[in-house]
Amino acid sequence: DAGVTQSPTHLIKTRGQHVTLRCSPISGHKSVSWYQQVLGQGPQFIFQYYEKEERGRGNFPDRFSARQFPNYSSELNVNALLLGDSALYLCASSLNRGMGQPQHFGDGTRLSIL
Amino acid sequence: ILNVEQSPQSLHVQEGDSTNFTCSFPSSNFYALHWYRWETAKSPEALFVMTLNGDEKKKGRISATLNTKEGYSYLYIKGSQPEDSATYLCAFRRAGGSYIPTFGRGTSLIVHP
Repeated sequence: DAGVTQSPTHLIKTRGQHVTLRCSPISGHKSVSWYQQVLGQGPQFIFQYYEKEERGRGNFPDRFSARQFPNYSSELNVNALLLGDSALYLCASSLNRGMGQPQHFGDGTRLSIL
Repeated sequence: ILNVEQSPQSLHVQEGDSTNFTCSFPSSNFYALHWYRWETAKSPEALFVMTLNGDEKKKGRISATLNTKEGYSYLYIKGSQPEDSATYLCAFRRAGGSYIPTFGRGTSLIVHP
């Protein structure tokens, strides 16, 4: 079975631009979460979507938005890119939001802002 | 802001050594504690989900314990092998609200042959 897939794997943008990152969860998983990981830090939670609705939002500015589609895939959008947005963006899926559910991560999208 | 601390930050051991590291988290409003292994150039892999005080989980040579009253979890690796080299992350989920996970910075383990 395919794991969590993310695209693109690498991306270079300039300040002020907009970016869209994509994530396909494991088949049957209905919950998708997005994380930002900066070198030397643990992943920081950005969003969780479950059944196409936002169920959690981390401490990120409104420039960050996301959505989940009927097939449970998800997009993360970031507007007005800043140098500080350079990071590895991870997507994780789980069956549902339950307590005992482990998250399965994709390989991430490495975003570099010039 | 929740404080999830992992120690040590990095660890070098010889093949065959047993080792352990710590994840500290707030002792109130506990919901769940997750452990992940993250090898270089791969995606984080879920190791354990721990939900009850006193939980002990085991997967091969790796085991974990949980103390929610004092706010810590230990991860143990018995007889370390070079393939155990990775960053080990813990993530604390607090009860209430959206149960957002807060990750520690990880412990980087290098096992020398």
